[in-house]
Amino acid sequence: AQSVTQLGSHVSVSEGALVLLRCNYSSSVPPYLFWYVQYPNQGLQLLLKYTTGATLVKGINGFEAEFKKSETSFHLTKPSAHMSDAAEYFCAVRNTGNQFYFGTGTSLTVIP
Amino acid sequence: DVKVTQSSRYLVKRTGEKVFLECVQDMDHENMFWYRQDPGLGLRLIYFSYDVKMKEKGDIPEGYSVSREKKERFSLILESASTNQTSMYLCASTISGRVVTGELFFGEGSRLTVL
Repeated sequence: AQSVTQLGSHVSVSEGALVLLRCNYSSSVPPYLFWYVQYPNQGLQLLLKYTTGATLVKGINGFEAEFKKSETSFHLTKPSAHMSDAAEYFCAVRNTGNQFYFGTGTSLTVIP
Repeated sequence: DVKVTQSSRYLVKRTGEKVFLECVQDMDHENMFWYRQDPGLGLRLIYFSYDVKMKEKGDIPEGYSVSREKKERFSLILESASTNQTSMYLCASTISGRVVTGELFFGEGSRLTVL
């Protein structure tokens, strides 16, 4: 079975600072990778996804992530945090079937 | 706009009650999922379905059952609700596994409290 590890269940950044949320996965085959965002009392919304091709993926709200096969990582970044970025972020992997595997989430706090 | 709709955003039930959580998607997706979300545990898969009348157990199926009589609708049933089933329940759907790059589309969630 695959697994997804998100380092840091809580991350705090100052408004305007770099956001870095870490995700590592275990996979014996090329995975399909996703980042989702969840605002309070809402469902999950897709931020971005990596399937094939360019390893640097751009998503909504200024977020991007880089797939690094050698490090089995898919870290999420944003150059400048905004107050509206405060939310829970989930990294997920889909295998070649229909199975999705989620990390336990990282709660992002943005300090004014 | 594509949509996954969960019938109830907030529910309060009593121990022993039968609970139905309904989910409808309008994207003609074959695959539908029910997850449970608890703080610190992330999303845990309860059941999923690849097609009408088909269902597969996920990681935590105990105490739950599902029904998929129509392609667009996937229901989660708690036969006899217990307090440890107090949680946020998320429904999701995705296109067939033949297109494996497809992402999950989520509903808004149903927050269930069992007293």
